Amino acid sequence: AQSVTQLDSQVPVFEEAPVELRCNYSSSVSVYLFWYVQYPNQGLQLLLKYLSGSTLVKGINGFEAEFNKSQTSFHLRKPSVHISDTAEYFCAVSDPNNAGNMLTFGGGTRLMVKP
Amino acid sequence: EPEVTQTPSHQVTQMGQEVILRCVPISNHLYFYWYRQILGQKVEFLVSFYNNEISEKSEIFDDQFSVERPDGSNFTLKIRSTKLEDSAMYFCASSWGMNTEAFFGQGTRLTVV
Repeated sequence: AQSVTQLDSQVPVFEEAPVELRCNYSSSVSVYLFWYVQYPNQGLQLLLKYLSGSTLVKGINGFEAEFNKSQTSFHLRKPSVHISDTAEYFCAVSDPNNAGNMLTFGGGTRLMVKP
Repeated sequence: EPEVTQTPSHQVTQMGQEVILRCVPISNHLYFYWYRQILGQKVEFLVSFYNNEISEKSEIFDDQFSVERPDGSNFTLKIRSTKLEDSAMYFCASSWGMNTEAFFGQGTRLTVV
């Protein structure tokens, strides 16, 4: 079984400051990793994904994440946030060999960018 | 840009009633999913559907739930006899292949009273 832990339920940060949203996972098999963003009253949108290859993954809107296998982490970072980045961020994992292609989500982190 | 469309955006139903949540996946996608998020909790997988059959389902997806692709475009989730604890946001998603990006709809908020 897989599980995902997002340690911070809320992260307040000032505009133009850097931010890191933490994600740790637990799995007995290799995994694919994802970050999704949910803006108010909208669905989930993929920010970035790690399937294989380079452990540093760049996504949309200036976000990036680094896969660290030894620490079973996939933290999301942005060097300078904007007010428009205020949203809920979800980390998720999937098993590449799972026929159902299901995603297991973390509890989410609410990023609140203040002016 | 193609998107997953869900209707209605909000549905209120009485306990014990049947409800059908509707989704139109992206047209060339082959895999379809339902997830739900109870208020304040994690997004949870319910079921995946491929080649006109369920490929995987979670423990949540019991006999009260069913899915159907009645025609070439719609994908529905039916809850036979709703309970209060079925109140949640239900997300439909689709992807074109295994381990490819899942595109999510905006969700249907189901409120059981």
